[in-house]
Amino acid sequence: SQQGEEDPQALSIQEGENATMNCSYKTSINNLQWYRQNSGRGLVHLILIRSNEREKHSGRLRVTLDTSKKSSSLLITASRAADTASYFCATDAGGYQKVTFGIGTKLQVIP
Amino acid sequence: DAMVIQNPRYQVTQFGKPVTLSCSQTLNHNVMYWYQQKSSQAPKLLFHYYDKDFNNEADTPDNFQSRRPNTSFCFLDIRSPGLGDAAMYLCATSRGEWLYEQYFGPGTRLTVT
Repeated sequence: SQQGEEDPQALSIQEGENATMNCSYKTSINNLQWYRQNSGRGLVHLILIRSNEREKHSGRLRVTLDTSKKSSSLLITASRAADTASYFCATDAGGYQKVTFGIGTKLQVIP
Repeated sequence: DAMVIQNPRYQVTQFGKPVTLSCSQTLNHNVMYWYQQKSSQAPKLLFHYYDKDFNNEADTPDNFQSRRPNTSFCFLDIRSPGLGDAAMYLCATSRGEWLYEQYFGPGTRLTVT
């Protein structure tokens, strides 16, 4: 069964706006990762946050993790058309060396 | 420079005709993964190798097999493709410890006619 569930499943915003995507998961984790997938392509790793971290930044990305609520959020600030993609969270709850992906949020940034 | 390479990018096969998808990596990573991804769905792990140690997911059909002849290469064999096997197949690598990210190839889009 899928560990993560992203919310919303689809999001459409104007260029320059912020985009927030949420991920909820069911069991304890050691780390949570976010990936981006452009249409018809492979996934690209964005950021990894460990279970003892609450917030992490990378450029225009900000990820938070609340282990008590078993949830994470990905914020993309000042969005660009090039940010149009699907975003997946992935947890390591599946076991050593494995991650389990959520169903993803499809983000469309309108120029 | 491409780090995880998948060939071919697009593959068309006939129902029941065996097909092999290829993945190679220049990262010298210990772990290689094969995922199946259907339209608008999450990638689903089929199996992975830690070095030569093969780990099959419990729900991966027997129709799917894999080989890893050396560190750099890994193959996905579909012995008798059905229409339901049409999907994007993604290869990924990682260093193998708990806390490292996965590097994905561009994928192979498989069509079954």
